[in-house]
Amino acid sequence: GQQLNQSPQSMFIQEGEDVSMNCTSSSIFNTWLWYKQDPGEGPVLLIALYKAGELTSNGRLTAQFGITRKDSFLNISASIPSDVGIYFCAGRTAGGTSYGKLTFGQGTILTVHP
Amino acid sequence: NAGVTQTPKFRVLKTGQSMTLLCAQDMNHEYMYWYRQDPGMGLRLIHYSVGEGTTAKGEVPDGYNVSRLKKQNFLLGLESAAPSQTSVYFCASSYSGTGYGETQYFGPGTRLLVL
Repeated sequence: GQQLNQSPQSMFIQEGEDVSMNCTSSSIFNTWLWYKQDPGEGPVLLIALYKAGELTSNGRLTAQFGITRKDSFLNISASIPSDVGIYFCAGRTAGGTSYGKLTFGQGTILTVHP
Repeated sequence: NAGVTQTPKFRVLKTGQSMTLLCAQDMNHEYMYWYRQDPGMGLRLIHYSVGEGTTAKGEVPDGYNVSRLKKQNFLLGLESAAPSQTSVYFCASSYSGTGYGETQYFGPGTRLLVL
């Protein structure tokens, strides 16, 4: 099956610090998505990436689709307490049989200390 | 729009009991999905549907069945629940399976405990 490694598994940071997390795949991906999950809720889309090299921002969040198409990065600048949650990367491999089927990373648990 | 809704929010079952989880979406999406989420394992695809009347197996389909009789609804059934099926179940939908329409929108989840 698909291997999608997300790191780090958890982060404990101070409010105001910047955060970086990444996902790497053993296969080439056509799409990378980044989701955030608050406790007791379903994942909510943060950023979607569709082209290799694409760099997209959403407020304090910036994500990039790696040039090799096997990795993606998410950065959060000037973290605030409400950034707490689990961040998931997800991607879809190249190929017709993969339509609609996303592979999810294991998640990064972010804790922000005031 | 309500987006994706799931019923029930929480359920406790005894081993061997059956139940059906209901997912509904009001976004006119073609694709619908059922995932399970377990600690440290992210989201794993159980079954999915690319349109009304169609279903397909995902990564972990054993012990589950699904039906998509109406475009807006996707049902997940457990015929004989086992403790290994204790998990949080998420339904999702997307407009299509590729390109800009493939972004999946998730429901709030159903927490299932099998004793």
